[in-house]
Amino acid sequence: SQTIHQWPATLVQPVGSPLSLECTVEGTSNPNLYWYRQAAGRGLQLLFYSVGIGQISSEVPQNLSASRPQDRQFILSSKKLLLSDSGFYLCASQGGSKYEQYFGPGTRLTVT
Amino acid sequence: GQQVMQIPQYQHVQEGEDFTTYCNSSTTLSNIQWYKQRPGGHPVFLIQLVKSGEVKKQKRLTFQFGEAKKNSSLHITATQTTDVGTYFCAGFRGGGRGSTLGRLYFGRGTQLTVWP
Repeated sequence: SQTIHQWPATLVQPVGSPLSLECTVEGTSNPNLYWYRQAAGRGLQLLFYSVGIGQISSEVPQNLSASRPQDRQFILSSKKLLLSDSGFYLCASQGGSKYEQYFGPGTRLTVT
Repeated sequence: GQQVMQIPQYQHVQEGEDFTTYCNSSTTLSNIQWYKQRPGGHPVFLIQLVKSGEVKKQKRLTFQFGEAKKNSSLHITATQTTDVGTYFCAGFRGGGRGSTLGRLYFGRGTQLTVWP
């Protein structure tokens, strides 16, 4: 089965600072990778997805960006954080012949 | 665009009562998946339904997929405190027959609270 690693688990950053969240996947090759954001008590908002190295699709225009430098590595970045970027960021992987997604433990980001 | 609506948003029940959450899509889905997120945790895959009218059971949980493949429900019989969490449905729309390429459209979730 797949294992999704995310770090850090929690992060407090000031407004205007940069951001880099990393996600790595074990147990599958060439997965589809996803970044979601979840506001407190709310649903999952898809931010980016990738079907391969260097292939990124953006769902919501914003000051965030994503990159996939390696097959099983997915990075979420921002040059300047906004207060509205606070939330719970989840990386997910869908691989092989499976349709279901496996989620990482998430990063709780608070922008102050 | 693709939307998956889920109701209710919140449900508070006493332990032993039943619970149901409903999911409805504006378009036909390739399959529907259900996830559970415990408080403070991340979503965990529960089950996938693929066929029209399909019904699957996991112990006290019963999942149904509608005949038109546009709606689904999750029913929990005799809830327990361990059932607490948010239940999400997610509709999958893929790139073609048998293709796993595609994306999931998540409902907003139903937050279940169970008091003893």
